[in-house]
Amino acid sequence: AQSVTQPDIHITVSEGASLELRCNYSYGATPYLFWYVQSPGQGLQLLLKYFSGDTLVQGIKGFEAEFKRSQSSFNLRKPSVHWSDAAEYFCAVGGRNAGNMLTFGGGTRLMVKP
Amino acid sequence: GAGVSQSPRYKVTKRGQDVALRCDPISGHVSLYWYRQALGQGPEFLTYFNYEAQQDKSGLPNDRFSAERPEGSISTLTIQRTEQRDSAMYRCASSLGGHSSYEQYFGPGTRLTVT
Repeated sequence: AQSVTQPDIHITVSEGASLELRCNYSYGATPYLFWYVQSPGQGLQLLLKYFSGDTLVQGIKGFEAEFKRSQSSFNLRKPSVHWSDAAEYFCAVGGRNAGNMLTFGGGTRLMVKP
Repeated sequence: GAGVSQSPRYKVTKRGQDVALRCDPISGHVSLYWYRQALGQGPEFLTYFNYEAQQDKSGLPNDRFSAERPEGSISTLTIQRTEQRDSAMYRCASSLGGHSSYEQYFGPGTRLTVT
């Protein structure tokens, strides 16, 4: 069965600093990978996705993620964090072997210091 | 355009009561999904539909939980004889279907509290 691990439950960064959120997955075939963001009182918003091709994918709000098959990772990055990026971030995996379901990690809560 | 909507946004019910949670997907989206999210955790898959057909209900925790999508649009998740452990955020998502099924768009969720 597939699984996703987000090792960092909480991360605090200063505004303007760079950010990397870690995601490791377990999946028996070619994975489809996603990052979602959840702001307080809001639904889950899709930031970016990887299906195939270029392993560095660009998303909305200046985020990017890199798929590294050898490390089973799909880390999320942003060069300069804004206060409005404070939220909870979820990594998810899906694919043909999993039907249409997505499996989510436990999330990383990002706090931004002024 | 309009996103996925869910109602009610908040539901408080007493243990033993039945509840019905509604999801209205994005217009034209073939696939509809239900997830449950406990506090401090990621969403967990419950069930999904293609059009009106329930394709996978492997995530439903027990037979008190059921879902339907009779006309291939709006869906209802019903929990019978609610228990305190059913308290969670229930999230609905929809997608275009086919390869795009993996790109799921989520609604704001229904926060269910069972007292």
